[in-house]
Amino acid sequence: AQSVTQLDSQVPVFEEAPVELRCNYSSSVSVYLFWYVQYPNQGLQLLLKYLSGSTLVKSINGFEAEFNKSQTSFHLRKPSVHISDTAEYFCAVSNFGNEKLTFGTGTRLTIIP
Amino acid sequence: GAVVSQHPSRVICKSGTSVKIECRSLDFQATTMFWYRQFPKQSLMLMATSNEGSKATYEQGVEKDKFLINHASLTLSTLTVTSAHPEDSSFYICSARDGGLNEKLFFGSGTQLSVL
Repeated sequence: AQSVTQLDSQVPVFEEAPVELRCNYSSSVSVYLFWYVQYPNQGLQLLLKYLSGSTLVKSINGFEAEFNKSQTSFHLRKPSVHISDTAEYFCAVSNFGNEKLTFGTGTRLTIIP
Repeated sequence: GAVVSQHPSRVICKSGTSVKIECRSLDFQATTMFWYRQFPKQSLMLMATSNEGSKATYEQGVEKDKFLINHASLTLSTLTVTSAHPEDSSFYICSARDGGLNEKLFFGSGTQLSVL
């Protein structure tokens, strides 16, 4: 069995400030890791993923996440947030060869002007 | 990019009635679709996996006779909550996979079901 923990349900951040959204997982086997974003009134969209290779992965809109196997973490970071980053962010994990995703409870990121 | 359309976005119904939720892939063929449920302050939980033309595979603890899933075409899957009760009130989300990996998984915008 696997699980995902997102400790912060809500994170308020001032515009242009840095942000880190935390994600920890547990699994007895190797995993793929994902961050999904849900903007208001829209479906979840894949933000970035770690499948293999470099442990630091980046999205096109400035977010990055680093896979840390020893700490079983996949924290999401952005050095300077914008109003448009206001959304709910979900961390997810799946096992190699398994199509099922296990999600965290989500973190609501609110950007303060 | 690929779009998954889910509707209705919100439905309120009386206890005992049935509710149908539709999930359509708009610009790709989805051989596999997934149905999730999210209760307040909890994770999205996978309810079932449906493959076009075959019976859905339900997760442990999900009643297949209560949550009827039909995936009759490559672009449409439906979830029917039969004889809904207040405890079925939840946020239901579908997703459709374009290709073999979860990196090509596209989600609908969800349906908030409230059973009175």
